[in-house]
Amino acid sequence: AQSVTQPDIHITVSEGASLELRCNYSYGATPYLFWYVQSPGQGLQLLLKYFSGDTLVQGIKGFEAEFKRSQSSFNLRKPSVHWSDAAEYFCAVVGGLSSGSARQLTFGSGTQLTVLP
Amino acid sequence: SQTIHQWPATLVQPVGSPLSLECTVEGTSNPNLYWYRQAAGRGLQLLFYSVGIGQISSEVPQNLSASRPQDRQFILSSKKLLLSDSGFYLCAEFSGSSYTFGSGTRLTVV
Repeated sequence: AQSVTQPDIHITVSEGASLELRCNYSYGATPYLFWYVQSPGQGLQLLLKYFSGDTLVQGIKGFEAEFKRSQSSFNLRKPSVHWSDAAEYFCAVVGGLSSGSARQLTFGSGTQLTVLP
Repeated sequence: SQTIHQWPATLVQPVGSPLSLECTVEGTSNPNLYWYRQAAGRGLQLLFYSVGIGQISSEVPQNLSASRPQDRQFILSSKKLLLSDSGFYLCAEFSGSSYTFGSGTRLTVV
């Protein structure tokens, strides 16, 4: 079974500082990995995804993530955080995307990001 | 592109009352559909998923049920709500290379 761990429940950074949100996954083969952001009371917005190829993935809003198979990690980074980045961030994994499969997304428990002025 | 419509956005229901949350999808056909629940201070828990009309798989035993009467319609129901059913319910679809989420329903059971 697949699983995702986000070890940091809450992170606080100052505006303009760099950010790294950690994500570790457990899956027997190459996973498909996602990062989502959720603003209060809203649905989930896709930041970026990794399926294959280049292990450094660029996303929206200046975010990037790096897939490291040896560490089973998919950490999210941003070089300079903006106040509007304050939200909750979820890492997710799905084991297979073939036609007819359930394609179930498994989420981590989320990391709440607070940005100080 | 795919769009998911979820309603209502907010709902307050008494314990023991029935529930019906509806989700419809536009811009795709034969999607995989999912219901997730997000309880306060917790992550997203998969409740049900469907790979086709009338096909429902349950992930968590509970007093909720789901139905898929049409290809792009997914309904979450309960005959009698419990306090523990309170949470934020999200519908999602997969029909390409990513997942699209609805804007959610905030359910408070009182």
